[in-house]
Amino acid sequence: AQTVTQSQPEMSVQEAETVTLSCTYDTSESDYYLFWYKQPPSRQMILVIRQEAYKQQNATENRFSVNFQKAAKSFSLKISDSQLGDAAMYFCAYRSVRGAQKLVFGQGTRLTINP
Amino acid sequence: EPEVTQTPSHQVTQMGQEVILRCVPISNHLYFYWYRQILGQKVEFLVSFYNNEISEKSEIFDDQFSVERPDGSNFTLKIRSTKLEDSAMYFCASSGQASGGDTQYFGPGTRLTVL
Repeated sequence: AQTVTQSQPEMSVQEAETVTLSCTYDTSESDYYLFWYKQPPSRQMILVIRQEAYKQQNATENRFSVNFQKAAKSFSLKISDSQLGDAAMYFCAYRSVRGAQKLVFGQGTRLTINP
Repeated sequence: EPEVTQTPSHQVTQMGQEVILRCVPISNHLYFYWYRQILGQKVEFLVSFYNNEISEKSEIFDDQFSVERPDGSNFTLKIRSTKLEDSAMYFCASSGQASGGDTQYFGPGTRLTVL
């Protein structure tokens, strides 16, 4: 079974600075998808960014980018120019290309933005 | 922009009572999911549903749980006899396809409190 590990329970960053959230995963599959979801205090899960394992190029969405290291099974999220609205729980998630494609989530990292 | 909706936002019930949590997925989506998040813990997959049947379920999804798509728009999760440990946030999600890259869109969640 696949597992996802986020080793940083909490992170904090100064507004306008850059922060990187770590995620590692374990799988025997060669093709899969990885996601970062944001969960603000409202607790709704919002997709931040996704990465296809077959793509070597790292995904980017505005101020959010990933560092996908397939051999190391690492998938970190970099947030540039941090804003107060980025404060939230961030969850890394794995999804197989086979079966019903459920999402397997990590434990989450709580990100605090200091003004 | 289409979104997944869930009702109620908060449900309080007595142990042993039945509850039904309701979700309206995005209208052209075909794949539906329920996830659970116990306070302070990670999001866990419960069940996936396609073509009017369960496609995958987790160990959590025992005989006390059932899902139904009673009409063309609603997707429900029923817990027959609630336990204290069922207290959690329940998220519904939907996607247009089962392919791994297709994004699952989450609803705002229902907070279930079992007393």
